[in-house]
Amino acid sequence: TQLLEQSPQFLSIQEGENLTVYCNSSSVFSSLQWYRQEPGEGPVLLVTVVTGGEVKKLKRLTFQFGDARKDSSLHITAAQPGDTGLYLCAGAWRGNKLVFGAGTILRVKS
Amino acid sequence: KAGVTQTPRYLIKTRGQQVTLSCSPISGHRSVSWYQQTPGQGLQFLFEYFSETQRNKGNFPGRFSGRQFSNSRSEMNVSTLELGDSALYLCASSLSVGGASYEQYFGPGTRLTVT
Repeated sequence: TQLLEQSPQFLSIQEGENLTVYCNSSSVFSSLQWYRQEPGEGPVLLVTVVTGGEVKKLKRLTFQFGDARKDSSLHITAAQPGDTGLYLCAGAWRGNKLVFGAGTILRVKS
Repeated sequence: KAGVTQTPRYLIKTRGQQVTLSCSPISGHRSVSWYQQTPGQGLQFLFEYFSETQRNKGNFPGRFSGRQFSNSRSEMNVSTLELGDSALYLCASSLSVGGASYEQYFGPGTRLTVT
């Protein structure tokens, strides 16, 4: 079983639509990161959230860390084809381990 | 500042052979982690090195090994390759191990194909 459950696994939407990706766990994390990975490349760090309830915005992307630091969400407003990729969440667990979710594959059609 | 570099980018090997992959971290980063990524299993943690010492290890057989040099560069070795070892191998560096903001910076990966 995955320590971090991501949903949905796949998402195919039209350009201009909004979407939310979820990252859930029964464990508490000291921080949580979101990465985006394009085919044939390594994941790129988008954001780190540390404080329970924290909200961070990166242009059209909004990241939220749950109050109990067990879950997080990524919301994309007005998705564009350039947002296409694999989105991974990763939690810093027990101080010295980083655990990754299985990822959400997002395809934005023009 | 230069990013994480990995060599080679692509590699084709035959079952039973061994392979060594190399990773140079971002300057100043002392921690290097290795991951295996496949479509079926996703991103799986192999091991992490900090100051030339292995700090964490994932659930992989002993055929997978690694090391880190005094300049923080790291290598991983896979002996007696199996078809199932075909994957994208990713290296990531971070300033230190753990902590509240445990951020990793990934290289482009080495695509290993075992035939």
